[in-house]
Amino acid sequence: DTEVTQTPKHLVMGMTNKKSLKCEQHMGHRAMYWYKQKAKKPPELMFVYSYEKLSINESVPSRFSPECPNSSLLNLHLHALQPEDSALYLCASSQAPNEEYNEQFFGPGTRLTVL
Amino acid sequence: AQSVTQLGSHVSVSEGALVLLRCNYSSSVPPYLFWYVQYPNQGLQLLLKYTSAATLVKGINGFEAEFKKSETSFHLTKPSAHMSDAAEYFCAVSDQTGFQKLVFGTGTRLLVSP
Repeated sequence: DTEVTQTPKHLVMGMTNKKSLKCEQHMGHRAMYWYKQKAKKPPELMFVYSYEKLSINESVPSRFSPECPNSSLLNLHLHALQPEDSALYLCASSQAPNEEYNEQFFGPGTRLTVL
Repeated sequence: AQSVTQLGSHVSVSEGALVLLRCNYSSSVPPYLFWYVQYPNQGLQLLLKYTSAATLVKGINGFEAEFKKSETSFHLTKPSAHMSDAAEYFCAVSDQTGFQKLVFGTGTRLLVSP
């Protein structure tokens, strides 16, 4: 299995809602990532989990809360989002943190719309 | 900090023509470079990566890239464009303090006309 899966594919939420995005990989990768991608822009790194511990937080607002329950699963909990948070949220994984040529495998993304 | 610059936000070619997408890097040490492709409404797929084993890197779907240190470039080419190549292409460089961060260029949209 060489896939990163993400659910849901699409999500529409109000500013007072609480929702979660889910990401899963079964490649034995020990690093997992959340990116945010606005239309016609490159992905921007949000969080990195390394061996199930948060290793990088790119100064993301606290209304985004990541969680890594185990080495295969990564969640992104959303609360009190703003319309400008509407974007494609991409999950990625890589074999091992801190290794050269650490290529990342991306999921298809969750298209989030905040009303 | 490492960075990459992609020249041209849009490149248009005819089917069967040569594809050339430009990427220049900024790094004082040997960089770790990648090319990714993103089809509409999809995630990113790795096309190829530079590993310093060879300056000419072959990737998937007939793409290749040549690492030129003297020009600080890692341009992506394909001899003959196909309609299915129409997509967004991102050049990226990995930071060398932990190799966990990928810094992407601004992307180049490839348009292929019949």
